[in-house]
Amino acid sequence: RKEVEQDPGPFNVPEGATVAFNCTYSNSASQSFFWYRQDCRKEPKLLMSVYSSGNEDGRFTAQLNRASQYISLLIRDSKLSDSATYLCVVSISSGSARQLTFGSGTQLTVLP
Amino acid sequence: DGGITQSPKYLFRKEGQNVTLSCEQNLNHDAMYWYRQDPGQGLRLIYYSQIVNDFQKGDIAEGYSVSREKKESFPLTVTSAQKNPTAFYLCASRKQRGRNEKLFFGSGTQLSVL
Repeated sequence: RKEVEQDPGPFNVPEGATVAFNCTYSNSASQSFFWYRQDCRKEPKLLMSVYSSGNEDGRFTAQLNRASQYISLLIRDSKLSDSATYLCVVSISSGSARQLTFGSGTQLTVLP
Repeated sequence: DGGITQSPKYLFRKEGQNVTLSCEQNLNHDAMYWYRQDPGQGLRLIYYSQIVNDFQKGDIAEGYSVSREKKESFPLTVTSAQKNPTAFYLCASRKQRGRNEKLFFGSGTQLSVL
């Protein structure tokens, strides 16, 4: 089983739709969680951190469920510019080191 | 402006040749990382470094080497022992303190074999 697994893509949705991605993690010692966005052949960029109480940033909402070991990302009123690959990232602490594990990404295409 | 600079943007390697990818940051970050990304896949960790003169292997270190002689610099050498080096390479850095320390990426280097 992969340490971090994401919904298989691609997701093709019409403009204005609401779309949700899920991500599960296997290590219960995971401490920090993030969603990154990556455009084709570009570097990933932080979209949002994910907090235990859930958090919202405009049209984006992130949720964390520690009991079931998954995080989610909800995009409301999707725009053409939301088309990208969304990476789930989980951070664990290994002694004095902190390592991040990336999911394989979910590709989103918003259609006009 | 602070940031991470990777160079070159595109690099071509001949069979049996070693090549070095540059990564420099002026964010005063302690930790630096090298990732490899293949088409349609997530990022896989090659090497990481927590402090100067110290580094650890990641999940796919074979065929790669690194050095961390300065806090700002973390070059990656792809050796001839790496038989399938064609990929997109990303360098990243982050602070070590705090639980939600964010990862900052360079713009990447596309390495191809001639």
